[in-house]
Amino acid sequence: AQTVTQSQPEMSVQEAETVTLSCTYDTSESDYYLFWYKQPPSRQMILVIRQEAYKQQNATENRFSVNFQKAAKSFSLKISDSQLGDAAMYFCAYRSLSGTYKYIFGTGTRLKVLA
Amino acid sequence: DGGITQSPKYLFRKEGQNVTLSCEQNLNHDAMYWYRQDPGQGLRLIYYSQIVNDFQKGDIAEGYSVSREKKESFPLTVTSAQKNPTAFYLCASSSTGTSGEQYFGPGTRLTVT
Repeated sequence: AQTVTQSQPEMSVQEAETVTLSCTYDTSESDYYLFWYKQPPSRQMILVIRQEAYKQQNATENRFSVNFQKAAKSFSLKISDSQLGDAAMYFCAYRSLSGTYKYIFGTGTRLKVLA
Repeated sequence: DGGITQSPKYLFRKEGQNVTLSCEQNLNHDAMYWYRQDPGQGLRLIYYSQIVNDFQKGDIAEGYSVSREKKESFPLTVTSAQKNPTAFYLCASSSTGTSGEQYFGPGTRLTVT
């Protein structure tokens, strides 16, 4: 069975600085999706970034980028020029491309942004 | 606007009563999901459905039931058999195609006393 691990329960970053959130996963499959979701205090889950496993190029969305290391099964999220609005819970998620459409979520990392 | 609606936002019930949480989507997604979120924890899958009239148990299905009579709707019933029902419940949907990501509703906070 697939698992997703986020080993940092909480992280802090100074406003305008860069922070990296870690995520590792375990799977025997070769094709899958990986995601980072943000959950602000409103509790609305928002997709931050998506990575297809078959793509070697790391996904980027404005100030958000990932470091996808398929062999190491690592999928970290880098937030550049951190803003106060980035403060939230961040969840890493995995979805297989075969079989069921289940998503596996990590336990989350709470990010605090210091002014 | 396309999206997922959950109602109500806050729900209060007495112990021993069944309660149904609503989830509707107009994204034309085939797959729908229910998650439970407890303080400081991640998302735990209760039930999911990949097609109308079919659904599968997730990791914590005991004490819950669902139906999927229409593509747009996936209501969740929290029964009196659920030992600790107070939690935040999130509904989500996704395409079964190649776009991949899940879309989430705003959630329902259920309090049972």
